[in-house]
Amino acid sequence: SQQGEEDPQALSIQEGENATMNCSYKTSINNLQWYRQNSGRGLVHLILIRSNEREKHSGRLRVTLDTSKKSSSLLITASRAADTASYFCATDAGRRALTFGSGTRLQVQP
Amino acid sequence: GAGVSQSPSNKVTEKGKDVELRCDPISGHTALYWYRQRLGQGLEFLIYFQGNSAPDKSGLPSDRFSAERTGESVSTLTIQRTQQEDSAVYLCASTLAGGATEAFFGQGTRLTVV
Repeated sequence: SQQGEEDPQALSIQEGENATMNCSYKTSINNLQWYRQNSGRGLVHLILIRSNEREKHSGRLRVTLDTSKKSSSLLITASRAADTASYFCATDAGRRALTFGSGTRLQVQP
Repeated sequence: GAGVSQSPSNKVTEKGKDVELRCDPISGHTALYWYRQRLGQGLEFLIYFQGNSAPDKSGLPSDRFSAERTGESVSTLTIQRTQQEDSAVYLCASTLAGGATEAFFGQGTRLTVV
């Protein structure tokens, strides 16, 4: 089974709205990363948050990490049609690095 | 090169044939990963290389799958006696220092077994 599981599986919003995606994982981690994938090809790194951090920002992205609940959230503010993609969380549990979840498919309607 | 390069980008093969997929990581990246992604699904971990060694092969789905890495650089993923269920996009990624840092992905090889 996947180490990380994203929720929801699919999300459809209007341009300008905020999009929130959640990720839950099972084992202790060193860090958690979020990636974006367009058109089922290569993934692009968005942000990395370490296990001793609780919140991190990058442009319109805000990531939180709650290690007690083994969960993370990715917030995209003021969404644009170009944000339409699949978003994945990935965890580094040390032994087997970078295990990915099943992803959230985000559709931003113009 | 500037990024992770995978070849071929697309491969159509007949059931029962062997295929080799190639990954050229970013120069100097010590860690290299292979993943499989079926249509509309998440990334399934296959194998991880640290240098030329593979400390974790547990994701390889069967003994028809094998991978090697040489010169701490190029890696090949070989699938023998391909089956239709092997059809997927095979993604390669490399990192500077294992999972502690950002992974850079290639564009993948789309394998179709007919």
